[in-house]
Amino acid sequence: EPEVTQTPSHQVTQMGQEVILRCVPISNHLYFYWYRQILGQKVEFLVSFYNNEISEKSEIFDDQFSVERPDGSNFTLKIRSTKLEDSAMYFCASSPGTEIYEQYFGPGTRLTVT
Amino acid sequence: AQTVTQSQPEMSVQEAETVTLSCTYDTSESDYYLFWYKQPPSRQMILVIRQEAYKQQNATENRFSVNFQKAAKSFSLKISDSQLGDAAMYFCAYRSAHQLIWGAGTKLIIKP
Repeated sequence: EPEVTQTPSHQVTQMGQEVILRCVPISNHLYFYWYRQILGQKVEFLVSFYNNEISEKSEIFDDQFSVERPDGSNFTLKIRSTKLEDSAMYFCASSPGTEIYEQYFGPGTRLTVT
Repeated sequence: AQTVTQSQPEMSVQEAETVTLSCTYDTSESDYYLFWYKQPPSRQMILVIRQEAYKQQNATENRFSVNFQKAAKSFSLKISDSQLGDAAMYFCAYRSAHQLIWGAGTKLIIKP
């Protein structure tokens, strides 16, 4: 069964550094998403992406964040200058874009900013 | 704005028994979709069941079923014949446009 994959599983970085989180969505899916979950808190929507552009983003997704689909298979989330409060689990999801738009999640990348 | 509330931070159930996890939501939309996701200790988010608001029939997936009460804006998850592998955090989610709005989660403990 096709799965969403994410790399790395765990990323440790120093405050102020740039990080890129990578995702490979399910191959025939059309919509892609990033969510984050700070430990012990609710899952929060960051951004959705369709047809090579952002379709929706939250207040969290400020100028420090960007997304890209560089080669038709990967979907990346870049954080330009990480802050301590960016430490969280980052989930990528994809959706086939059918009526229900159900989203299938990857295993997550744990980002630790020190 | 839509909100999702899960009022049970933790629930426990004896193995093989039935447990119900509650979820309420607030919305002014008439057509929408609701989901239950399971997050085991591995932290991967796994889709358990989905419900379309326009469908009156409650969704079922094997041992998992929902009680969808549209007027009351309630969407509870029933797990029958609980198994040790059901132990996880369970999240209720509402689809708004292209984003999912999440509840705070319920930790389900299975007692052997």
